Amino acid sequence: EDQVTQSPEALRLQEGESSSLNCSYTVSGLRGLFWYRQDPGKGPEFLFTLYSAGEEKEKERLKATLTKKESFLHITAPKPEDSATYLCALSGGSNYKLTFGKGTLLTVNP
Amino acid sequence: DADVTQTPRNRITKTGKRIMLECSQTKGHDRMYWYRQDPGLGLRLIYYSFDVKDINKGEISDGYSVSRQAQAKFSLSLESAIPNQTALYFCATKDQKSTDTQYFGPGTRLTVL
Repeated sequence: EDQVTQSPEALRLQEGESSSLNCSYTVSGLRGLFWYRQDPGKGPEFLFTLYSAGEEKEKERLKATLTKKESFLHITAPKPEDSATYLCALSGGSNYKLTFGKGTLLTVNP
Repeated sequence: DADVTQTPRNRITKTGKRIMLECSQTKGHDRMYWYRQDPGLGLRLIYYSFDVKDINKGEISDGYSVSRQAQAKFSLSLESAIPNQTALYFCATKDQKSTDTQYFGPGTRLTVL
C-alpha cells in the first residue's frame, strides 16, 4: 500500500529564516511525486511534480527535490505570504490515484 | 474564470437530508475526482471517473453516490446525510493524456447538524 508521511506537522519560521519540509514515502513504482500549497478554506494549488530521483524543480522561493525514499520542499528566505499548509502526494504503479500526506502547516512571522 | 468550480461553497444541512454537491470544469480534462478533507486525516478519495461511463469507488465511498452528467460535470450526493460527513469536499480533474497532476476546485464546506 502506498504511504506518504510528512514532517514536521507544523513549522513556525521568522521571515527570512530558510528551512525544509520533508515528505517520506513508500510506493511500488513511483509515477510522480507532487507538492501542493493549500490556504485555509481553499483548494490545494499545484506547485510541482517530480518524476525521478535526483530531479529538482524551483519556483520563486521554493525548491523541491526527490530521492528514492523522500522529497524535500526547501523554502529560502520565506515571507509571511508563504504561510500555508503544504501537501505532498504521490501516484504509484498502475494506480492513477493520488495518495496524500497529512500536510505541514507553515507559519512565517514578520 | 476559474477552471474548476464547485457549488455550493458552503452548506449547512440536517441529519437525514439528501445533499448534492456539484463540480464543473472548463479544462477539457477527462478524469474527475471527489475528495473529502478532515482535520488530521488529510485528503481521502471518495469516487473517481475516467469518463462519462466509467465511475469507480475510492477508499471511502460508503454513504456517497456520484453522477457524471457530462465530461465537464461530476456531482456528489449524500443520500442521507449524517454528522460525520461534516467536512471539506474537493473536486479535482486530470488530463489522462498528460501527467498525473490533478487540479483542484475551491471546495465545499459541508456541515451536517
